[in-house]
Amino acid sequence: AQSVTQLGSHVSVSEGALVLLRCNYSSSVPPYLFWYVQYPNQGLQLLLKYTSAATLVKGINGFEAEFKKSETSFHLTKPSAHMSDAAEYFCAVSVGLNDMRFGAGTRLTVKP
Amino acid sequence: GAVVSQHPSWVICKSGTSVKIECRSLDFQATTMFWYRQFPKQSLMLMATSNEGSKATYEQGVEKDKFLINHASLTLSTLTVTSAHPEDSSFYICSARPRQDTQYFGPGTRLTVL
Repeated sequence: AQSVTQLGSHVSVSEGALVLLRCNYSSSVPPYLFWYVQYPNQGLQLLLKYTSAATLVKGINGFEAEFKKSETSFHLTKPSAHMSDAAEYFCAVSVGLNDMRFGAGTRLTVKP
Repeated sequence: GAVVSQHPSWVICKSGTSVKIECRSLDFQATTMFWYRQFPKQSLMLMATSNEGSKATYEQGVEKDKFLINHASLTLSTLTVTSAHPEDSSFYICSARPRQDTQYFGPGTRLTVL
């Protein structure tokens, strides 16, 4: 079965600094990969998704992620953090479009 | 586009009562809907997958008689927590999937059982 591992339950960056949230996946077949953001007491908002097209995926709010098959990774990056980026981020994997499995989440804190 | 709503956004109930949570896809038809549960500071755990007009498929360890799922139409799925107990208190999130597209998530429902 497919799974994802998010490295680091908590990441803290300064405003304007690079954001890097790590995600590694495990799947026996080519996966679909996703990054979601969750603000307190809210549902999940899709940031971006990889569905076997371009390996560098650009999402909303300036985020992007690169699918690296050789490293089984799908790390999320943003060149310059903004205070409004503080939230919980979830990486997810699915085979096909059902059966989505989520990572444990990474809480991003942005310091002024 | 691709908006999913949930109602209610929060509910408090007494132990032993049943609670129904609705999940609606507002601007698309969802052939498949999913129900997740999220404990504080934890990730989402898939509870069940429902396809319109058929019985839901429950994940291992989820009691189907306790968590009743009905996907009566292409825009509505309901989750009923029967005989709720304090340990059922959680954040319940649904998602809906249009045909051949990704899942879109609702805003969640916080259930507190006293």
